[in-house]
Amino acid sequence: EDQVTQSPEALRLQEGESSSLNCSYTVSGLRGLFWYRQDPGKGPEFLFTLYSAGEEKEKERLKATLTKKESFLHITAPKPEDSATYLCAVQATGNTGKLIFGQGTTLQVKP
Amino acid sequence: DGGITQSPKYLFRKEGQNVTLSCEQNLNHDAMYWYRQDPGQGLRLIYYSQIVNDFQKGDIAEGYSVSREKKESFPLTVTSAQKNPTAFYLCASRREPTDYGYTFGSGTRLTVV
Repeated sequence: EDQVTQSPEALRLQEGESSSLNCSYTVSGLRGLFWYRQDPGKGPEFLFTLYSAGEEKEKERLKATLTKKESFLHITAPKPEDSATYLCAVQATGNTGKLIFGQGTTLQVKP
Repeated sequence: DGGITQSPKYLFRKEGQNVTLSCEQNLNHDAMYWYRQDPGQGLRLIYYSQIVNDFQKGDIAEGYSVSREKKESFPLTVTSAQKNPTAFYLCASRREPTDYGYTFGSGTRLTVV
């Protein structure tokens, strides 16, 4: 069964304190792995797509990496505005576009 | 600007009542999806549609119904058969091929009163 597990469930950081969020996945064949940011009461906002092991993508203070079993979202020198829930999702090959989501990591960055 | 519009933002349902959540997109996307989000759980797929006049059940379709009469519109009806409908509902669309995964709407929060 295709499955996505994110850890930790919640993370509290001081401003400037770098850390990583983990997304472990089990999928029959990976078509793509997606990272989204979600603010309270709003829809998820797309961040990155990763397709193959070894791939990396960056956007401002965020960097996503991918291995055959997991993905990491690295946050360098976070700011309070980075506080949000970060969602990881996978799409399997031969799928109809369905995404399987993890439960999310809620990040709080204190000034 | 192109995007997905969900309405209403908040919806209250009485016991035994059917309610319909609206989802409209002007992105010219072929595929549309409905997800349900509960606290501490990942998004779960309710229904999806890849072309007009066709749709498939997702993982938790019981108690829900949809229609896809127009490319731009994919309304979701929460029927009285759905015993625990209180949740945050998200509509999304996708263009294939794409590097951007889904585009999401802003969501509808449904509460049973």
